[in-house]
Amino acid sequence: GNSVTQMEGPVTLSEEAFLTINCTYTATGYPSLFWYVQYPGEGLQLLLKATKADDKGSNKGFEATYRKETTSFHLEKGSVQVSDSAVYFCALRNPLSGYALNFGKGTSLLVTP
Amino acid sequence: DAGVIQSPRHEVTEMGQEVTLRCKPISGHNSLFWYRQTMMRGLELLIYFNNNVPIDDSGMPEDRFSAKMPNASFSTLKIQPSEPRDSAVYFCASSSRGGQTEQFFGPGTRLTVL
Repeated sequence: GNSVTQMEGPVTLSEEAFLTINCTYTATGYPSLFWYVQYPGEGLQLLLKATKADDKGSNKGFEATYRKETTSFHLEKGSVQVSDSAVYFCALRNPLSGYALNFGKGTSLLVTP
Repeated sequence: DAGVIQSPRHEVTEMGQEVTLRCKPISGHNSLFWYRQTMMRGLELLIYFNNNVPIDDSGMPEDRFSAKMPNASFSTLKIQPSEPRDSAVYFCASSSRGGQTEQFFGPGTRLTVL
C-alpha cells in the first residue's frame, strides 16, 4: 500500500537557520508528492508539490525534490523565520489508488528569535 | 472567494449523543474529502465523494459513522452514537477535476466527546 514516513518532531531552530525535514514514501507506480503546512488553529495549506521524478517544487523559500531512486521528498529552507513555525505534512497521491492523500504524521517546527 | 467552510468549529458532546459535522466545498469543485486528525494516527481519509457520489468509504471506522452529500454545495458527517475515542479534528477538503487538482482544506471541526 501507500505510506509516508516523516522525521518526528518537534524541531526547534533559531531564526535564519537551515531547515531540513526528511520524508520518504512507499508506493507503486508514480505518485505525486506534496508538502502541506498547518498553522495553529487553521486547516492545511498546500506549500509545494512535485508530480514526477526529479521535479523540484518550491514556494516561499521552501524547496523539495522528488527523488525516485531514494523514494524521498525532503523539505528544505535556507533561512527560516519565526513565521515559519507550524506543522509540516508530507503527503502522496497515487492515481492507482484514487485521489485521496496519504499523509505522514507531521513534523512540528518552532523557530525562535 | 470563500474557501471551504466547516461548521461548527468546536463541538463538545457527551458519549452516546449524535453529532453532525457540516461542510460547504468551494463553488465549482466536484470532489469532496473528509479526513480525521488524531495524535495517535495522524491524518486519515474517512470518505471521499466525486460528483456527490461516494467513491471510497473504506476509511469510515464503523457503522456509527455516516456521510452524505445531497448536492454539490453541502456535505455532512454524522456520528451516532458518539464515543470518547471519536474525539479528533475533522477536516473537509475539496478539489476540482475529479480530485486531480490541489485539495483545499477547511479550518476543521474540533470534536470532544466526554
